[in-house]
Amino acid sequence: NAGVTQTPKFQVLKTGQSMTLQCAQDMNHEYMSWYRQDPGMGLRLIHYSVGAGITDQGEVPNGYNVSRSTTEDFPLRLLSAAPSQTSVYFCASSYSSGEQFFGPGTRLTVL
Amino acid sequence: QKEVEQDPGPLSVPEGAIVSLNCTYSNSAFQYFMWYRQYSRKGPELLMYTYSSGNKEDGRFTAQVDKSSKYISLFIRDSQPSDSATYLCASALSNFGNEKLTFGTGTRLTIIP
Repeated sequence: NAGVTQTPKFQVLKTGQSMTLQCAQDMNHEYMSWYRQDPGMGLRLIHYSVGAGITDQGEVPNGYNVSRSTTEDFPLRLLSAAPSQTSVYFCASSYSSGEQFFGPGTRLTVL
Repeated sequence: QKEVEQDPGPLSVPEGAIVSLNCTYSNSAFQYFMWYRQYSRKGPELLMYTYSSGNKEDGRFTAQVDKSSKYISLFIRDSQPSDSATYLCASALSNFGNEKLTFGTGTRLTIIP
């Protein structure tokens, strides 16, 4: 099992550009989520999904879109990147109960 | 006020010392409490979790929750250089995977050989 994988590992964007952060898991987990981690702020939930076709907002959803067309994939889209979205992004997955497994993260810089 | 507060450190201790890491929380409805370990440039990994008040031990690690004072602790005995990492506490209303975790900011720990 590869676990939770994220691509790319690093990305630099200019203000206003759009991009998609990819997240995939091969553990058949129902629940997937996206967090951002900023110094002094800890991990904050952006969006989450409890199954294919079902998504909901977390604590800091503005500026991000998600969709869940398959159990395995949960991409995060930045529609128009802003410097405030410079952060490290983590995807996580779990069964309906139990441990959340985190991916290795994507480091995003918006200039 | 953040729902889960954690001293960011950094904390440096000599190898073999007992380490105490602490968090406080404000939401009395939290029932599940977790400690994650995060090595530099890696994703967090679950170290321990506890339900309600009490202690849980796993090898050199002990997690402790005092719901009366809303205090969460992690103790590391016989600390090793490999324990050097950032430790994040987290709380949740339930133990379901679709339950949102509320994280502390993390404490950076360095064990000095």
